[in-house]
Amino acid sequence: ETGVTQTPRHLVMGMTNKKSLKCEQHLGHNAMYWYKQSAKKPLELMFVYNFKEQTENNSVPSRFSPECPNSSHLFLHLHTLQPEDSALYLCASSQDSGYTDTQYFGPGTRLTVL
Amino acid sequence: TQLLEQSPQFLSIQEGENLTVYCNSSSVFSSLQWYRQEPGEGPVLLVTVVTGGEVKKLKRLTFQFGDARKDSSLHITAAQPGDTGLYLCAGPIIQGAQKLVFGQGTRLTINP
Repeated sequence: ETGVTQTPRHLVMGMTNKKSLKCEQHLGHNAMYWYKQSAKKPLELMFVYNFKEQTENNSVPSRFSPECPNSSHLFLHLHTLQPEDSALYLCASSQDSGYTDTQYFGPGTRLTVL
Repeated sequence: TQLLEQSPQFLSIQEGENLTVYCNSSSVFSSLQWYRQEPGEGPVLLVTVVTGGEVKKLKRLTFQFGDARKDSSLHITAAQPGDTGLYLCAGPIIQGAQKLVFGQGTRLTINP
């Protein structure tokens, strides 16, 4: 595996379910990101981790809970979501979290909340 | 209010035609990036422009950064079906921490 991988690629869940999204990067990067891409809004940054430490929480509701056990793995735990949370969730990584570092994106998880 | 406004939002043209898409802001950016996102994939960085007035070429794609560093354009010559995708511009800002902000994108369809 190379680059940034995400699983699952598609997820359908009810509002009372608990699920997790997984991201893995094979690039030796130190920073990882979660973004939300909705149909009618620009790509929105959710969380940033640098060297496993969360450095940014972009006012994300607590029903989204990130976890970064090491520099290669990033999770997004989901619980009691709302239908408006349906979107493409993209993971990205970069060498460090400075904005001059190129971000490499995974293919995303298409989430549908019923 | 979006920091980066892209236009047009949708563009459908025939193969072989030329096109230009725009990324505009009222704010000055130290650099701007262009990404292409194909269906079922994440965005892929095409180019970063860092100097006002800079022009960069990537095969049939020409990217320009405005002199005042508030806008950028992407021109495609002799478009091909493989150019189909969502084109996103992005620029760095500092809001507490450094982050990238994205435009809403231009969805381009090249018809054979």
